[in-house]
Amino acid sequence: QVQLVQSGAEVKEPGASVTVSCQTSGYSFSSYFIHWVRQAPGQGLDWLGLINPSNGRITYGQYFQGGVTMTRDKSTKTVYVELRNLRYEDTAMYYCARGPGVSADGAFLDYWGQGTPVVVSS
Amino acid sequence: DVVMTQGPDSLAVSLGERATINCKSSRSLLYNSKNYLAWYQLKPGQPPRLLIYWASTRQSGVPDRFSGSGSATDFTLTITGLQADDAALYFCQQYYFSPYTFGQGTKVEI
Repeated sequence: QVQLVQSGAEVKEPGASVTVSCQTSGYSFSSYFIHWVRQAPGQGLDWLGLINPSNGRITYGQYFQGGVTMTRDKSTKTVYVELRNLRYEDTAMYYCARGPGVSADGAFLDYWGQGTPVVVSS
Repeated sequence: DVVMTQGPDSLAVSLGERATINCKSSRSLLYNSKNYLAWYQLKPGQPPRLLIYWASTRQSGVPDRFSGSGSATDFTLTITGLQADDAALYFCQQYYFSPYTFGQGTKVEI
């Protein structure tokens, strides 16, 4: 079955960087986009961007360009998001989620990781 | 960015009754006869769950008491025969214009 398993909770100081991983299984890794979404405490959902695991091409959300990098490792079927220069406002639950096939239309998210809490605190 | 506005922010519904959540987009999401809109359910301690995509297509495994309707800029998620397990946050999402954006969420209480 399709599974997305994320790395564990992180606590970082302001200005630091953090990398969250999302290991996938149960489907063809290169055939589906992976998106990253976050939810700050008491807030709604924000879309960080997506990566095409087939060719590594990335589309970033407008407000996350510059401070976010997405990468993938085909050998381990894992996608990563790195957040740099963390601020208190980056405290959130971070999710990876699978989109439709890379040749398909749309960007609804049908399978989600369990979430990784990232806390930025001094 | 496309702004997605949900209403109401919260609602309390009795068991067995109907809940209606509205979602309004600042731009039309209709293209080639498809509406690029999805609905998700979010419960504490769980990742979001896809309920509806293409505005009205129910995701596999989602009970048929959940239904989506609407077109272009105005959309509705309806939950009929509300059950205790339906208490959650509900979000709409547009996926036509990048960056893909979500509504602010609607809390459904039983």
